[in-house]
Amino acid sequence: QVQLQESGPGLLKPSQTLSLTCNVSGGSIINSGYYWSWLRQHPGKGLEWMGYVFFSGSTFYNPSLKSRLTISVDTSKNQFSLRLISVTAADTAVYYCAGQRGPPARGWFDPWGQGALVTVSS
Amino acid sequence: QSVLTQPPSVSAAPGQTVTISCSGSSSNIGNNFVSWYQHLPGAAPKLLIYEDHKRPSGIPERFSGSKSGTSATLGITGLQTGDEADYYCGAWDSSLSAFDFGGGTRLTVL
Repeated sequence: QVQLQESGPGLLKPSQTLSLTCNVSGGSIINSGYYWSWLRQHPGKGLEWMGYVFFSGSTFYNPSLKSRLTISVDTSKNQFSLRLISVTAADTAVYYCAGQRGPPARGWFDPWGQGALVTVSS
Repeated sequence: QSVLTQPPSVSAAPGQTVTISCSGSSSNIGNNFVSWYQHLPGAAPKLLIYEDHKRPSGIPERFSGSKSGTSATLGITGLQTGDEADYYCGAWDSSLSAFDFGGGTRLTVL
């Protein structure tokens, strides 16, 4: 059973770059058939889908974040990562990694990581 | 602002049945599959329903999903105190070119 775990710094200053990694265990990132995704939840708000990477390296991003967001995969480490540049306080959120099945970007999310709180503050 | 509309809260007594609605349009629910998630505080969101009405293994039959036109519904029967959580619907939106979630519904089991 595939399990996911996020890791990365929890506190950033405005204008810095947010980098998070999701470690995949219990299965191969190559042949599990998932679109490896990042989502986030702002404090007191709903869920926001950010984008995905496939094991091949192909990506698809939420247009609202596309100019600042990069999602990449490292098959040798069975990990995928998120990089969000020029962060502001509006990027303060709990960040989740998840595996998406079904049609690319259109399917369902399962499993999910536990989430990583990232705070952007000067 | 989400394109999927959910009621902010619903409540019912233990053992009762509750439904949570998710209203959208032809850009999302009307032409794409809906999934539902349960989110307990401090925990990872949990998939309850996918492809409108299918339950993953391990999800009790008490949870059901349906869809009609541009609206979807999550039903929960035999409510338990452990069902208290936030529930989210989600679907692809072709106008946004993004997967979108509803604003979430807080379920209180009185």
